Amino acid sequence: ETGVTQTPRHLVMGMTNKKSLKCEQHLGHNAMYWYKQSAKKPLELMFVYSLEERVENNSVPSRFSPECPNSSHLFLHLHTLQPEDSALYLCASSQDPGDYTNEQFFGPGTRLTVL
Amino acid sequence: QQQVKQSPQSLIVQKGGISIINCAYENTAFDYFPWYQQFPGKGPALLIAIRPDVSEKKEGRFTISFNKSAKQFSLHIMDSQPGDSATYFCAAILKTYQTGANNLFFGTGTRLTVIP
Repeated sequence: ETGVTQTPRHLVMGMTNKKSLKCEQHLGHNAMYWYKQSAKKPLELMFVYSLEERVENNSVPSRFSPECPNSSHLFLHLHTLQPEDSALYLCASSQDPGDYTNEQFFGPGTRLTVL
Repeated sequence: QQQVKQSPQSLIVQKGGISIINCAYENTAFDYFPWYQQFPGKGPALLIAIRPDVSEKKEGRFTISFNKSAKQFSLHIMDSQPGDSATYFCAAILKTYQTGANNLFFGTGTRLTVIP
């Protein structure tokens, strides 16, 4: 295991539902990330948090809302999603986002299906 | 615009053979090139990485070859084994971290299947 856990592992939701994805890292890292992984596309960085403060938001639609209550936990709140948002959502952590050689440790992901 | 182009999309290799995955980039500001390995049901995990001032890096059966002038780099898996069957992603990282900008770019992935 990588030390990064994600729940739930699978989620099916309707377009009008509200749900949340949870990520927890047990590595003592200072930065956490949300990525979207779609088939035949590069991993897309969605959000970066450093010491619980958001440092990047790559033009992600407002129907995705991140929350980082402390350096070990990261949430992704979902509401009024579209079918094209169906994907694998990966959480990752690293020691220091300012060091570009930092290895990112990924969780197993949440497979999201929007009906 | 895709920052890192990866090929092939899928690869089938006989056990004991050499697997080769290629990546190309355009932005000369990239300064670090990691490769990630992803097994089904798992997140990507760092496999090996190289800086552009080095032409080759080897770790066990895995070798990165780097051609700075051509802006290309490749992963070679020697003596490929069925346990190597996974999806491999190349990536490129910008040297200067800019707040509010993405500095890590992934390729689209190569699904490798090693046949026993």
